[in-house]
Amino acid sequence: QKEVEQNSGPLSVPEGAIASLNCTYSDRGSQSFFWYRQYSGKSPELIMSIYSNGDKEDGRFTAQLNKASQYVSLLIRDSQPSDSATYLCAVDRGYNKLIFGAGTRLAVHP
Amino acid sequence: SQTIHQWPATLVQPVGSPLSLECTVEGTSNPNLYWYRQAAGRGLQLLFYSVGIGQISSEVPQNLSASRPQDRQFILSSKKLLLSDSGFYLCAGNTNYGYTFGSGTRLTVV
Repeated sequence: QKEVEQNSGPLSVPEGAIASLNCTYSDRGSQSFFWYRQYSGKSPELIMSIYSNGDKEDGRFTAQLNKASQYVSLLIRDSQPSDSATYLCAVDRGYNKLIFGAGTRLAVHP
Repeated sequence: SQTIHQWPATLVQPVGSPLSLECTVEGTSNPNLYWYRQAAGRGLQLLFYSVGIGQISSEVPQNLSASRPQDRQFILSSKKLLLSDSGFYLCAGNTNYGYTFGSGTRLTVV
């Protein structure tokens, strides 16, 4: 079992729709969770971090964490073509080691 | 804020040649630093991390080594490159706000 699992996609959504990206992790002791966006050929950029169960909203982005189910998600409201990228889920499993999933490719079409 | 500098942006090296990639950090002191590799279309694989000068932890045994000669300098090296060393190499550092990445080095071993 991979430490951090994501559906590779592509996830295709129309412009203006809500994109829902999901991630599961195996280490129950993990405490910190991150979503990164990576455009093709570029380095990842941090979108959201979440540490407690529940929802965290920042603009069009909402991160959701359920530690009991070992599940993290990212919702993107009012999706734009500029949101088309690969979204990486990352989990800090302690000792300052950030482990990444393989990423989900999102395509927002006009 | 923390800024990670990496160079060069692209590198083409023959099999068997040595490698040295440098990463420097500004805007913070005593950061934890990381080297990741991303193969084409894949997620980020943690290679090495360092919590201080001279302290290196290796995540994956391979043809690479890392060193941290100064607080804000992290170097990735190889004595003899293999074809399988090709990839996108990313240096990262963490702060209280999350992990930030340099712009990466795309290495092609030919």
